[in-house]
This record gives sequence, structure tokens and C-alpha cells, in this order.
Amino acid sequence: DAGVIQSPRHEVTEMGQEVTLRCKPISGHDYLFWYRQTMMRGLELLIYFNNNVPIDDSGMPEDRFSAKMPNASFSTLKIQPSEPRDSAVYFCASSLTAANTEAFFGQGTRLTVV
Amino acid sequence: AQSVAQPEDQVNVAEGNPLTVKCTYSVSGNPYLFWYVQYPNRGLQFLLKYITGDNLVKGSYGFEAEFNKSQTSFHLKKPSALVSDSALYFCAVRERGGFKTIFGAGTRLFVKA
Repeated sequence: DAGVIQSPRHEVTEMGQEVTLRCKPISGHDYLFWYRQTMMRGLELLIYFNNNVPIDDSGMPEDRFSAKMPNASFSTLKIQPSEPRDSAVYFCASSLTAANTEAFFGQGTRLTVV
Repeated sequence: AQSVAQPEDQVNVAEGNPLTVKCTYSVSGNPYLFWYVQYPNRGLQFLLKYITGDNLVKGSYGFEAEFNKSQTSFHLKKPSALVSDSALYFCAVRERGGFKTIFGAGTRLFVKA
């Protein structure tokens, strides 16, 4: 398996624009996580899905953020409208069902909002 | 609420010397504990985990970690550091029965040749 695949790797957009980040989890993994990493706040869990269903979105910072998982092999994180403070590295990760299993991370999307 | 503390922002060690990266946690019950490593411009990579049993856990690249329940600690160790070990290290905790994993702030390890 190629691992967790995220696209794009880098995104530069203007304030107010819509941004969509994409993730393909590892095949067979039931859980998918979206994290945001910044210098100030470290690694924050935004939302996670189990079998394509959102389980906990308490980490989503504002209504401008939304995430979907239409099928087992694809998820999106959308920011609309984007703001400069959204600039961060966004990671997608996936894991197997058992709670004692580790997560596998993608390489991340570096988002810059100017 | 669960939390993880990595008290050192940075650890410096000479190549060949032993290294320790500290982690303490606060969570109800007996958690699952993880260490991950992040190299520049890369995602996090799993190093090792504690689930149950032996308090000393061995992982990838010669790393090991010691679980200490009384001190609620899970320090990462390596007997002999390599320059290539220089990276950002994250400790993480997850409550049993849940999937929400909380990460520490990270500790940057510098290994000098």
C-alpha cells in the first residue's frame, strides 16, 4: 500500500477563498483523522471518522471548517472562507479498528492563506 | 480530560551517548501510549506503543520506552544516539475504549556529531 495520500502538498490561497484538502486513507483502515499542526498550538485533532461516519468533530475550530467522507477511500477537509490564521500544516491519518493500533499519517498539506 | 506533557522543547545529545525524551500524561484508567517521530516536511511516523504487559517497550530504529504507572510517565530512550535521530518527537495518549488520541507539544532532538 502506498500509505495515506494527501493532496495537494502545498496550497497558497487568498483570504476569503475556499480551500479543499484531500485524503486517501490506507485501504482497510476504518478510522480516519484530520489534524492541524501549528507552531503555536502543536498538533490538534480536528475531526475523526469511523466507517465514513463523523464521530467527534469537537476540534473543528469554526463553522468555516467542514469535513466529509463520502466513501471508505476518500475524505475532504474544506475551509470556506479561508483566513490567514488558518495557515498551518494539515495532516490526515488512518488506523485499523482496534483501539490499540497506531495511526498512519500522510505527508501533510501546507496551507498558506495570504 | 486527557493530556500529555513533554517538558523539554529541545534535547541536545552527542552522537554515541544515550538519549532520553520525557513524557508524562494525565488520563483516567490505563491508557494506550505512543511515540511518533517527525522528520522535516514529513508526516508523523510511528515508533512504538505501550498496550499492556512489560513496562519496557522496544520499537523501531533502536528506540525503547519505559512505562511507569506510578509516575504516569512514558519516557523515550535510546542507548546510543545517531545524528540521523535528529527530529521532532511526539508522545501521544489514548484512553482505552476510545479513539481520540492526544499529542504532546513535541520535543526537538538534536544529535551532534
